[in-house]
Amino acid sequence: KQEVTQIPAALSVPEGENLVLNCSFTDSAIYNLQWFRQDPGKGLTSLLLIQSSQREQTSGRLNASLDKSSGRSTLYIAASQPGDSATYLCAVTFTGTASKLTFGTGTRLQVTL
Amino acid sequence: GAVVSQHPSWVICKSGTSVKIECRSLDFQATTMFWYRQFPKQSLMLMATSNEGSKATYEQGVEKDKFLINHASLTLSTLTVTSAHPEDSSFYICSASGTVIVQPQHFGDGTRLSIL
Repeated sequence: KQEVTQIPAALSVPEGENLVLNCSFTDSAIYNLQWFRQDPGKGLTSLLLIQSSQREQTSGRLNASLDKSSGRSTLYIAASQPGDSATYLCAVTFTGTASKLTFGTGTRLQVTL
Repeated sequence: GAVVSQHPSWVICKSGTSVKIECRSLDFQATTMFWYRQFPKQSLMLMATSNEGSKATYEQGVEKDKFLINHASLTLSTLTVTSAHPEDSSFYICSASGTVIVQPQHFGDGTRLSIL
C-alpha cells in the first residue's frame, strides 16, 4: 500500500531556530513530491515541488530535499518566525496514479516568541 | 495566476438537506478537478477525481450516490452532498489542474460543512 507518513506530528520551537520536518513514503516509484502549508480552517498553499529527478528545491528560507531510494523528504525552515506557525503537509504523486496526491498526516508547527 | 475559488466557505444546515459546493478555476481551464475531505486534525483524503465532460472516478469507500460530482465545464465543478447527516460534517477542499498529468494542483480555500 502506498502511504505517506510525517514525523513529528507536532513541533514547538522558539523564534529564530532552524528546524526540519520529515516525510517518508513507502514506494520509491514516485512522479514528484510536494510540500504544502495549511493555516487553521484554510485551504492549502503550495510551498515547494520536487520532481523525481531532483534532489532539492529552495524558496527563500525553505529548502526541501528528496531521497527517493530511502523514501524520504525533509523540509528545512531557516530562522523560524511566528508567522511560520501552521500545519505542513507532504504529498506524493506515485507513478501510475495519474495526478493523484497521497497526503501525509501533517506536522503542526508552532513558533513561539 | 492559477486561482481556484471555492464557494461557500462555510455552510450550516439541517440534517436531511442537500448542500452544493462550487469549485471554479478563475484564470485557467481545469481539465481535472479533485475533491478532498478533511476531518479535524487529520490529513486530506481524496474522495473523487473528475474530468471535464466525464463521470467522476470515486475512491474506494466513497458513496457516489451520496456525493454527486458534476464537472460540466472547464472552469466549474460541483460537489453535492445529498441528504446530509451530522457524520457528513467535515472540511471539503477542491483542487484543479490544467492537464490530465498535471502538477501542481491548485487548491481552493475549502468549505466547512456543519450538519445539525
